[in-house]
Amino acid sequence: GQNIDQPTEMTATEGAIVQINCTYQTSGFNGLFWYQQHAGEAPTFLSYNVLDGLEEKGRFSSFLSRSKGYSYLLLKELQMKDSASYLCAVLDSNYQLIWGAGTKLIIKP
Amino acid sequence: IAGITQAPTSQILAAGRRMTLRCTQDMRHNAMYWYRQDLGLGLRLIHYSNTAGTTGKGEVPDGYSVSRANTDDFPLTLASAVPSQTSVYFCASSDAPSGNTGELFFGEGSRLTVL
Repeated sequence: GQNIDQPTEMTATEGAIVQINCTYQTSGFNGLFWYQQHAGEAPTFLSYNVLDGLEEKGRFSSFLSRSKGYSYLLLKELQMKDSASYLCAVLDSNYQLIWGAGTKLIIKP
Repeated sequence: IAGITQAPTSQILAAGRRMTLRCTQDMRHNAMYWYRQDLGLGLRLIHYSNTAGTTGKGEVPDGYSVSRANTDDFPLTLASAVPSQTSVYFCASSDAPSGNTGELFFGEGSRLTVL
């Protein structure tokens, strides 16, 4: 079966750095997405990786290793507004998105 | 700029009743999707449409139906609601080519409770 694993919950301190991991086992691979979802709101797009390596976008970076079936989202200079769930999703060989359950990130002052 | 609009925002429904969740987008995106989101689970695809006039089944289609009469509208119908359909429903769209999912744009969600 297809599977996306990410930690259920993480806690970090304002101003710090946090890394949210995602491992996947899917039938084929056509890219990996990260979305942010604040409580009670819609998911919003953060990043897309299809090649190995690090993609940096402001305070957020996303890394992919296709050989290891692994990605992480790195958030720097954490702000209280970064408290949200972070969803990892993989596009499989049929171009269907397989979603992880999400990682709830709690930021403490 | 509206993006994707869903209605209703929230609804409590008696089991056995018929319910249609509405979804309208103004971005002229080809592809549209309906997901349900339940605590502890990832988003699960119910139905999708790659272009107007076509629809397909997702991971959890049973008990749901959709139609895509035009580019903008993609309603989701529960023919006879059951308590297990209590969930938050998200409509989404993408401007990727047919069958190739790109970045998704989501509506604000419809919270449905079936008693």
